[in-house]
Order: sequence, then structure tokens, then C-alpha cells
Amino acid sequence: QVQLVESGGGVVQPGRSLRLSCAASGFTFSNHGMHWVRQTPGKGLEWVAVISYDGSKKYYADSVKGRFTISRDNSKDTLYLQINSLRAEDTAVYYCARERLYSNSFDYWGQGTLVTVSS
Amino acid sequence: QSALTQPASVSGSPGQSITISCTGTSSDVGSYNLVSWYQQRPGKAPKLMIYEGSRRPSGVSNRFSGSKSGNTASLTISGLQAEDEADYYCCSYAGSSTSYVVFGGGTKLTVL
Repeated sequence: QVQLVESGGGVVQPGRSLRLSCAASGFTFSNHGMHWVRQTPGKGLEWVAVISYDGSKKYYADSVKGRFTISRDNSKDTLYLQINSLRAEDTAVYYCARERLYSNSFDYWGQGTLVTVSS
Repeated sequence: QSALTQPASVSGSPGQSITISCTGTSSDVGSYNLVSWYQQRPGKAPKLMIYEGSRRPSGVSNRFSGSKSGNTASLTISGLQAEDEADYYCCSYAGSSTSYVVFGGGTKLTVL
């Protein structure tokens, strides 16, 4: 069965960096676009970034452009999110999500990893 | 402020039907047939309920249906059940030159 498992979250000081990982299994990872979506505790969902199936195209939300970098390693079935210059407002649960083919929807989600930015 | 506008809360009694609206613009909801809806229960990851405006993934009850008119998409849940109580989020593709994907602020469904 399809599984997405995020890791790398934790408590980080403002201005520091963090790399999140999302290990995929149960499907052909290299066939699917992959997304990161975050959710501030008690608040709504915010789309963060997308990477195409082959890594050739990447798009970001304006709120993270220039600080976040999405990447993937299809040989390891793993998605990444590099987060630099962390701010308090980046505190959230970060989910990786698989894009359903050709539909720009998210058909499988990980359990999320919590990033807390605090001094 | 979310890009798509949803009511903060809706409620209904078991067996009734409810509809959650999702209002966007001609740049997102109105331009693409790529609205999706997600159910999120407390402490859980979101679950895809509707994609491409009105299609249901395998395993999702046919009590859930989606539609769109102009810049507004809607999710209807018929025959409300206690297990439907959750937060619901709409989402739309918005084009690769703009916001790419936008979410609504979410709607809390309470089953009375």
C-alpha cells in the first residue's frame, strides 16, 4: 500500500535551517509529482511547493519563495524540503502529498512532521 | 487570509444534506476543472474526497458529491452521519505562473 513517511522536524531557532524528508513506498515514485503542504497548529492548510515527477519543474508559494527548496531523489524514492532562514511563522506541521496523476489533487498524504521555530 | 473562501462552519442533523461552498476567482476555480475537496479529522492527515470538481476516489462514499458554477465550487454531503463530522477544505489549481495551488480556509462540519 502507498505510504509516505515524513521526518526531520523538530524545534529550531529562528534563522537556522532544516531539511525535511519524505520516504515513499508502495507505488512508482518516479511517476508522480509530489507536494509539500503545511498546517499551522489549529489553522488551515497552506500549499508550499511542488516538484514534477522527474524533478525538472518546481513551483513555490510566494510566502516561501527564495527560502525553501524542494527536491527529490527518485533512486531513493525520497522527497525533500530544505528550509532556510526559518521564521516563527514557519511553525507548522509539514505534510508531503502525492499528486494524483493529471488531476492536481493530493491522493495520499504522510502523517506530517512538526517544525517549531522558537528561540 | 486564504485564497479561496469557505464558510467557517456548517451543521446538520443525521440524515440531512449540507453543502459547503468554496468561492475563488476567474484565475483559479473559474478557470480550471481542478477543484478538490479534503476531509480532515482531528490529529489526522487530510483525506481526498473529491477531485477534478466532481470525481470520487475509490472508497469514498457516494454521499459525497462535488459541483462547480462559475467561480464557486460546492461539496454536498447527503444522508449526514456522525462520522462525517470533520474539517473540510477545498483546493484549486491556479496556474503555474501564479499561486499554482490555493486552499480554502476550511469549514468545520458539526453533525448535531
